[in-house]
Amino acid sequence: DAGITQSPRHKVTETGTPVTLRCHQTENHRYMYWYRQDPGHGLRLIHYSYGVKDTDKGEVSDGYSVSRSKTEDFLLTLESATSSQTSVYFCAISESTGTGYSSNQPQHFGDGTRLSIL
Amino acid sequence: AQTVTQSQPEMSVQEAETVTLSCTYDTSESDYYLFWYKQPPSRQMILVIRQEAYKQQNATENRFSVNFQKAAKSFSLKISDSQLGDAAMYFCAYRSAQDGNEKLTFGTGTRLTIIP
Repeated sequence: DAGITQSPRHKVTETGTPVTLRCHQTENHRYMYWYRQDPGHGLRLIHYSYGVKDTDKGEVSDGYSVSRSKTEDFLLTLESATSSQTSVYFCAISESTGTGYSSNQPQHFGDGTRLSIL
Repeated sequence: AQTVTQSQPEMSVQEAETVTLSCTYDTSESDYYLFWYKQPPSRQMILVIRQEAYKQQNATENRFSVNFQKAAKSFSLKISDSQLGDAAMYFCAYRSAQDGNEKLTFGTGTRLTIIP
């Protein structure tokens, strides 16, 4: 199994509080991603990183920020949590071939964080 | 932007029978990858099978196979000899083959129930 650890696994918090989720990898992969999973929507990309300090937005990035100060860690922050951000959050990693074509290797996922905002 | 559509929110199959889950996608790219992921109640996302668009041969992994129709933009998953452990949500996903565009676009999923 790919070495991906998400913390915490579960969190309950109140509206308006800041929340930070952590993704830690031991694979030294270049790419890291944050997705959210909601019923009827599948998984949707929030933000991703293609290297240390290199990040970009996904399709549902409003209300979220990310940081990657080390290859192995990718943090997702909700500056002021809202009830609409109640979801299951997945981190994923993948490698790049650097050849001009993306690798056919799949993304590997962490076990998810269930976040409830009351 | 690419889109992935799974038109069957739920499917059920008798144990030991065969079931096919459908997936269609929309893209203007010619090179890309397609994946099926399984999510059991444990919430893990498990890769089931992958297909490179430039390969005409359909991918097969043991009891799992795909029917890849590039012109029709269709990528269905066939599960043969269904087992109780196959019960899960199944997600179809698309990824560009362009380097630096590693993002996955997912369908909304199909919940598969196995009837003993």
